[in-house]
Amino acid sequence: KAGVTQTPRYLIKTRGQQVTLSCSPISGHRSVSWYQQTPGQGLQFLFEYFSETQRNKGNFPGRFSGRQFSNSRSEMNVSTLELGDSALYLCASSPTGQGRPFTDTQYFGPGTRLTVL
Amino acid sequence: GQQVMQIPQYQHVQEGEDFTTYCNSSTTLSNIQWYKQRPGGHPVFLIQLVKSGEVKKQKRLTFQFGEAKKNSSLHITATQTTDVGTYFCAGPGETSYDKVIFGPGTSLSVIP
Repeated sequence: KAGVTQTPRYLIKTRGQQVTLSCSPISGHRSVSWYQQTPGQGLQFLFEYFSETQRNKGNFPGRFSGRQFSNSRSEMNVSTLELGDSALYLCASSPTGQGRPFTDTQYFGPGTRLTVL
Repeated sequence: GQQVMQIPQYQHVQEGEDFTTYCNSSTTLSNIQWYKQRPGGHPVFLIQLVKSGEVKKQKRLTFQFGEAKKNSSLHITATQTTDVGTYFCAGPGETSYDKVIFGPGTSLSVIP
């Protein structure tokens, strides 16, 4: 099976702009989670989508949003970019993304490296 | 709030030496997962531990879940250059904000 794919791989934006990142999960996986990875904060959970519904949301401002389509592909959007949004954004898919407590194995994509100037 | 910590933050070893990273949670975990991220790469799932005191082995890697289910360790025997990377532990979050909480990771360098 093909792995998780993310596009674009690299992105450079300026402050105030908005950006949309895309993630295609492993075929058959219905859960997609997004993470932000920075040297200072490490891996932080943004949100999870399952069957087109946001099931869990991390402690990030409303500028960060996402959605999932009927084919399980997901997008995340960041509006009004700030310098601090520069990070590696990782998407992870899992077969069921079981709710609580989380026990599913996550398969990460290569990430999108976002630089905000 | 809930915290997952890892020590050490960095470890440099000579090839062939052993390596251990420790993961400590402020709360009891129902399970713990370990991931490896190579430089420039993405996290890759290694293993999940569920039972108290559980020990699992994958070739030269030994994973252990503490009796109280609040700590875990990863031990690598006779490190190789292919072991280079950052090792993360991750546990399920308790709040609606955290589906899963990752530790800060231990970065392993192997000197050939």
